[in-house]
Amino acid sequence: AQSVTQLGSHVSVSEGALVLLRCNYSSSVPPYLFWYVQYPNQGLQLLLKYTSAATLVKGINGFEAEFKKSETSFHLTKPSAHMSDAAEYFCAVLLFGNEKLTFGTGTRLTIIP
Amino acid sequence: GAGVSQSPRYKVAKRGQDVALRCDPISGHVSLFWYQQALGQGPEFLTYFQNEAQLDKSGLPSDRFFAERPEGSVSTLKIQRTQQEDSAVYLCASSQTRLGGGTQYFGPGTRLTVL
Repeated sequence: AQSVTQLGSHVSVSEGALVLLRCNYSSSVPPYLFWYVQYPNQGLQLLLKYTSAATLVKGINGFEAEFKKSETSFHLTKPSAHMSDAAEYFCAVLLFGNEKLTFGTGTRLTIIP
Repeated sequence: GAGVSQSPRYKVAKRGQDVALRCDPISGHVSLFWYQQALGQGPEFLTYFQNEAQLDKSGLPSDRFFAERPEGSVSTLKIQRTQQEDSAVYLCASSQTRLGGGTQYFGPGTRLTVL
């Protein structure tokens, strides 16, 4: 069975600083990996996804993530935080042929002015 | 509409009442999913449809939960005899493809509060 671990339930960064949100997965086979963002009282919006093409994936709003098989990681980064990035971020895994997403517990990102 | 819509957005039920939550997927999307998101947690899978066929209902927590998609478009999640532990946000998602790895597009969710 696959699972996802997000280290740090709360992360605070200063505006303009690097954003790093950590995600590690466990899976017996290479999975598909996703990052979603959730703003208050809204649904989940896809930031980016990895589907076994390029290991460095670029998403919306300046975010990117790198798939590292040796570390079973898929950390999310953004070079310079903006106030509008404050939200909850979820990492998720999906095995090919299996339709259901398995989510981590989420990381709440706070931006300090 | 352009995205997945859900209604009602908020629902308050007394313990023991039945509720019905509606999901309108993106037009033409084959796959439809229901997830339950408890406060402070990530979404958890409930059930999955491909067209009108319910292919996986392994995440439904009890036989009080029932989902249907009779014409392969709109879906309804029904909870009978609601309990306080059913309080959560119920998210619906749809996907264009039948194959794994397709992007799931989420609706805004229905926040259910059981008193």
